Amino acid sequence: DGGITQSPKYLFRKEGQNVTLSCEQNLNHDAMYWYRQDPGQGLRLIYYSQIVNDFQKGDIAEGYSVSREKKESFPLTVTSAQKNPTAFYLCASSIQGSSTDTQYFGPGTRLTVL
Amino acid sequence: GQNIDQPTEMTATEGAIVQINCTYQTSGFNGLFWYQQHAGEAPTFLSYNVLDGLEEKGRFSSFLSRSKGYSYLLLKELQMKDSASYLCAVLTTSGTYKYIFGTGTRLKVLA
Repeated sequence: DGGITQSPKYLFRKEGQNVTLSCEQNLNHDAMYWYRQDPGQGLRLIYYSQIVNDFQKGDIAEGYSVSREKKESFPLTVTSAQKNPTAFYLCASSIQGSSTDTQYFGPGTRLTVL
Repeated sequence: GQNIDQPTEMTATEGAIVQINCTYQTSGFNGLFWYQQHAGEAPTFLSYNVLDGLEEKGRFSSFLSRSKGYSYLLLKELQMKDSASYLCAVLTTSGTYKYIFGTGTRLKVLA
């Protein structure tokens, strides 16, 4: 089955610890994205990558880092510099460059920092 | 700046029709998407418009007017399972392809 997986679904961490969220896709999509969603708010773009070994900051990149060493994988690290990391994190992918570019989302990871 | 506006919340009755509006101001436009998101789950794709007019898909239809920066999602024959948030998103082309999302409209369907 083709799709996007994120793990884990729920994650708890102590304040001050870095944590890495996994995102894998087997859709052969070039572009991948990380969003953050807070209660009552829309999706805010953290980072995106249009091709392997390249990525760009989104609107709220501070306190986060990413890598894109493989087409299938786009892990997100939430660092201790992120002031308010508790949120629902969504990974998405799409075929790059198409005008009918539809994003497909993973199931999400709910991160709670204690 | 880039901005997408949607009503925060709407309520409708099972079996009725509801229209969710979305207005946008973006630099570059390459299509407008509607997603459905149930609480605690990922958004799922509903519809895509890039040309003016109405796109119909079963009980769901979406309309776009590019000159007015306006879209709506029409849901017919509402069912209880349609209770969810509906997200409007614009694909912009200011340099690179990037999606801008609205805050979503939370729809409650009452029996």
